[in-house]
Amino acid sequence: GNSVTQMEGPVTLSEEAFLTINCTYTATGYPSLFWYVQYPGEGLQLLLKATKADDKGSNKGFEATYRKETTSFHLEKGSVQVSDSAVYFCALRGTGGFKTIFGAGTRLFVKA
Amino acid sequence: NAGVTQTPKFQVLKTGQSMTLQCAQDMNHNSMYWYRQDPGMGLRLIYYSASEGTTDKGEVPNGYNVSRLNKREFSLRLESAAPSQTSVYFCASSAETGVDNEQFFGPGTRLTVL
Repeated sequence: GNSVTQMEGPVTLSEEAFLTINCTYTATGYPSLFWYVQYPGEGLQLLLKATKADDKGSNKGFEATYRKETTSFHLEKGSVQVSDSAVYFCALRGTGGFKTIFGAGTRLFVKA
Repeated sequence: NAGVTQTPKFQVLKTGQSMTLQCAQDMNHNSMYWYRQDPGMGLRLIYYSASEGTTDKGEVPNGYNVSRLNKREFSLRLESAAPSQTSVYFCASSAETGVDNEQFFGPGTRLTVL
């Protein structure tokens, strides 16, 4: 079945550091891929998405590219801020279904 | 628009008690979902409703029931709460129109079962 694997956290960075959170997936066909972010005490909110191979999703300085050849959707940001401290979830939505599969989440701490 | 709202925000139950978690969305979305979030396990789907009038089991349905009351509302019921159901519960909705399949989440209900 479909699955998502993302790097374990927590990840601790200093402000202005480069961020990469790895995400790989297993799925048949051409799923849609997502990154969601959860700030403390809140629900998840969509950060970015990509619906086909080689698409790049981007939002708020974050980017991720849908790589079918490596089945990956790694999240990157060139310069993190303290306000980026949150839990980040990689997710997959298979074709023809209503279920979104979420990774376990990666907690990011950014120090001033 | 309020988006997705959930009540209550916090709840403490004793083992064996029952309760209903309420969820409503004002985005005219077709599909609605209930998840639970446990440390280190991401989100697990309990039940979902692809459209008004339909409900289906997700990954972890045991001990729960749901009702899609109308297009706006989707409730989750625990008939006889158990400590294993201590968790944070999230309701979500999505439009399900072509590629508009991202989910919008409520703020969550933190449930403790003693």
